[in-house]
Amino acid sequence: AQKVTQAQTEISVVEKEDVTLDCVYETRDTTYYLFWYKQPPSGELVFLIRRNSFDEQNEISGRYSWNFQKSTSSFNFTITASQVVDSAVYFCALSEAGAGGGADGLTFGKGTHLIIQP
Amino acid sequence: DGGITQSPKYLFRKEGQNVTLSCEQNLNHDAMYWYRQDPGQGLRLIYYSQIVNDFQKGDIAEGYSVSREKKESFPLTVTSAQKNPTAFYLCASSPRFKNIQYFGAGTRLSVL
Repeated sequence: AQKVTQAQTEISVVEKEDVTLDCVYETRDTTYYLFWYKQPPSGELVFLIRRNSFDEQNEISGRYSWNFQKSTSSFNFTITASQVVDSAVYFCALSEAGAGGGADGLTFGKGTHLIIQP
Repeated sequence: DGGITQSPKYLFRKEGQNVTLSCEQNLNHDAMYWYRQDPGQGLRLIYYSQIVNDFQKGDIAEGYSVSREKKESFPLTVTSAQKNPTAFYLCASSPRFKNIQYFGAGTRLSVL
């Protein structure tokens, strides 16, 4: 069975600090997809990134970067020079390719509540 | 404006009552999903549908029912059999072969 663990329930940092959110996953499939979503106080989930299991290249998008390491089953998310607007709950999620080609729904971690203090 | 619309934003259910949550999308996405979120928890999959007139149970389908008569619509009914319905419900859709889910703004359901 698939599982996603976000061990950090809440992180609080001061604005402009760098912060890393951890994500560890478990799956038996060799083909799978990893995601990060942001949930601001309004509640809607905002898609940030998708990675497939064959692509271990790290990715950078502005102040955001992601480190995917299959050897440790981790997909960590770093925010550089954090800003107050980054305050939200961040979810890591996994889908297995399986028979549905990855369309069978996501397995989410419990989320990390990130608080950026001014 | 393309997007996913969930209504109502807030919903109250009386004991023994069935209530239906609406989810409509105009993105021409094939797949649609329903998730439940409890405080301090991640999202859990209730039902999903990859094509019209077909749907599958997720991890916590008991006490819920769905239909998919149109590509744009995937309503969720919370039946009286669901003994603990208070939660935040999120609907999502995904284009075929792209496997990225986009979410609506959610419906918050409470029991009176």
